[in-house]
Amino acid sequence: AQTVTQSQPEMSVQEAETVTLSCTYDTSESDYYLFWYKQPPSRQMILVIRQEAYKQQNATENRFSVNFQKAAKSFSLKISDSQLGDAAMYFCASFGNEKLTFGTGTRLTIIP
Amino acid sequence: GAVVSQHPSRVICKSGTSVKIECRSLDFQATTMFWYRQFPKQSLMLMATSNEGSKATYEQGVEKDKFLINHASLTLSTLTVTSAHPEDSSFYICSARAGSGPEAFFGQGTRLTVV
Repeated sequence: AQTVTQSQPEMSVQEAETVTLSCTYDTSESDYYLFWYKQPPSRQMILVIRQEAYKQQNATENRFSVNFQKAAKSFSLKISDSQLGDAAMYFCASFGNEKLTFGTGTRLTIIP
Repeated sequence: GAVVSQHPSRVICKSGTSVKIECRSLDFQATTMFWYRQFPKQSLMLMATSNEGSKATYEQGVEKDKFLINHASLTLSTLTVTSAHPEDSSFYICSARAGSGPEAFFGQGTRLTVV
């Protein structure tokens, strides 16, 4: 079984600043993957970044990076140089046993 | 990237009728497709997993007779909400996976309103 917890229902950040979204997870799988998805007002789910659990190096995609702490089962997302287009719901997700389990989401607001 | 097309994007149906939602992988073969339901301001809840040519596996609490899933080909899965009621109104999202990798690609979602 997998659980994903996002403890921040809402976050806001000033444009051009940096924000970190938190996520913790629990899984009984030894082989799993972690994802951050973005859901803008259009409701289309967009993959932001993914991390293989067996990799120690933190994944990075342009302005998006993660802090993966395997022992602590923590997987936070850092958004640098926040832009207005980053405003969305962000879901942390864990893939294991052929299933993707989502957290409850964090609504990110960008303040111009 | 891989494209998944979901149709229709919005549908309104009368209570007691059935409605079908299609999910197509446009440029890859989807060995596995997933159907999710998302209530307003909530997360995505997995309803069922379907593999091409076999019966869908439903999550606990999901009525298989109400939510009929068919995955007849490697590019098409359908979700039929039978005898719809207002409480079935929701946002339904499909995703598709190629092969055994973890990455899944999402459709645009369907907003179902039952009146």
